[in-house]
Amino acid sequence: AQKVTQAQTEISVVEKEDVTLDCVYETRDTTYYLFWYKQPPSGELVFLIRRNSFDEQNEISGRYSWNFQKSTSSFNFTITASQVVDSAVYFCALSEVETSGSRLTFGEGTQLTVNP
Amino acid sequence: GAGVSQSPRYKVAKRGQDVALRCDPISGHVSLFWYQQALGQGPEFLTYFQNEAQLDKSGLPSDRFFAERPEGSVSTLKIQRTQQEDSAVYLCASSLEASGGRGEQYFGPGTRLTVT
Repeated sequence: AQKVTQAQTEISVVEKEDVTLDCVYETRDTTYYLFWYKQPPSGELVFLIRRNSFDEQNEISGRYSWNFQKSTSSFNFTITASQVVDSAVYFCALSEVETSGSRLTFGEGTQLTVNP
Repeated sequence: GAGVSQSPRYKVAKRGQDVALRCDPISGHVSLFWYQQALGQGPEFLTYFQNEAQLDKSGLPSDRFFAERPEGSVSTLKIQRTQQEDSAVYLCASSLEASGGRGEQYFGPGTRLTVT
């Protein structure tokens, strides 16, 4: 079973639009961590955020915001007023402390294209 | 400061050749990970080191894959008798955290391996 599902393979928006990237995860651990990474065309994965399973507070960082809901096992990522430089592949990832140690399990990624 | 570096950035190997991929983690980082990323997919875990100890190698796809980190710093991923299905980007990541999956992993630029 897919542990991290990013149902949106590709999203295309026009600059200044808001966009939400969905992430649904599956785990039996009570302690786990969720991450978002950005992979621009250069290929290097860039860390964006980490959330632990006990902290459901939403977080905002500039134009980025994250909505973590344990009830629906979702950890969605919203970019407000998108810019061309936001174009990249975005990955959601899960770290299951109890069952999988330190490894990250990634989703398939969402290709975001922001058009001028 | 210096990030994670990997070399070579690109490697073309003929089927059956052996290859060695190098990773220089961020200085002082205890944990080191190798991931394999096929085209259009998310990274998949290969193996994990804590200092020089290889604590998890459950993701290595076959016994042709071998990784080492003899002095707890630089790591080498070796692939023997390469096959076409080994073609992928190999990503190295390091983390300051010793274990537990809670630390963010910092990724290198990857080595793109093409087996012809």
